[in-house]
Amino acid sequence: EIVLTQSPATLSLSPGERATLSCRASQSVSVYLAWYQQKPGQAPRLLIHDASNRATGIPARFSGSGSGTDFTLTISSLEPEDFAVYYCQQRSNWPLTFGGGTKVEIK
Amino acid sequence: EVQLLESGGGLVQPGGSLRLSCAASGFNFSSDAMTWVRQAPGKGLEWVSVISAGGGRTYYADSVQGRFTISRDNSRNTLYLQMNSLRDEDTAVYYCAKAFGDSSGKFDYWGQGTLVTVSS
Repeated sequence: EIVLTQSPATLSLSPGERATLSCRASQSVSVYLAWYQQKPGQAPRLLIHDASNRATGIPARFSGSGSGTDFTLTISSLEPEDFAVYYCQQRSNWPLTFGGGTKVEIK
Repeated sequence: EVQLLESGGGLVQPGGSLRLSCAASGFNFSSDAMTWVRQAPGKGLEWVSVISAGGGRTYYADSVQGRFTISRDNSRNTLYLQMNSLRDEDTAVYYCAKAFGDSSGKFDYWGQGTLVTVSS
């Protein structure tokens, strides 16, 4: 099973600041990595698929990069609605696995 | 508009069974793989199972293999999850989601979830 490790666990930032979230895989997943956003009481929302492709309707301030084992989700300038938990997920190998999540909180 | 509506959750005793349903609308259900993902209270996301568009291929997490069965009825646009031999650790919100593109492993629309509580 591929283990995804997200860091940091919590990121405390102010609106307007840049957020950089990391996801590291225990073995190569090529570019088969997605990022999801989840707010309290809501379902996850797809942000990025295949490492760097923004999903439909996702603002340009969200970007993804990386390949192999190291991936990054960047939010260029945090909006109030961006404070949430973010998960990465790989589809390179079965079983599909998610990272443990990074909480982006208001500083 | 794509809509996924889960139902069937509730309180069940350990060792019991439950069947979840996910009613889909707003897209060509028979063309997309579908999945179940769960989230225990206060915890992260855990993938449970996936089924191909036609229903011929299924995959399961080790934690549910042999106890849960995923299926679909494309004539009714409905996804199912039959859960048997339920354990305390199966307590979670269960989400259904649709896959997209050429893959059964990335998910663009999610339902709002149904809560399953396993407790005596």
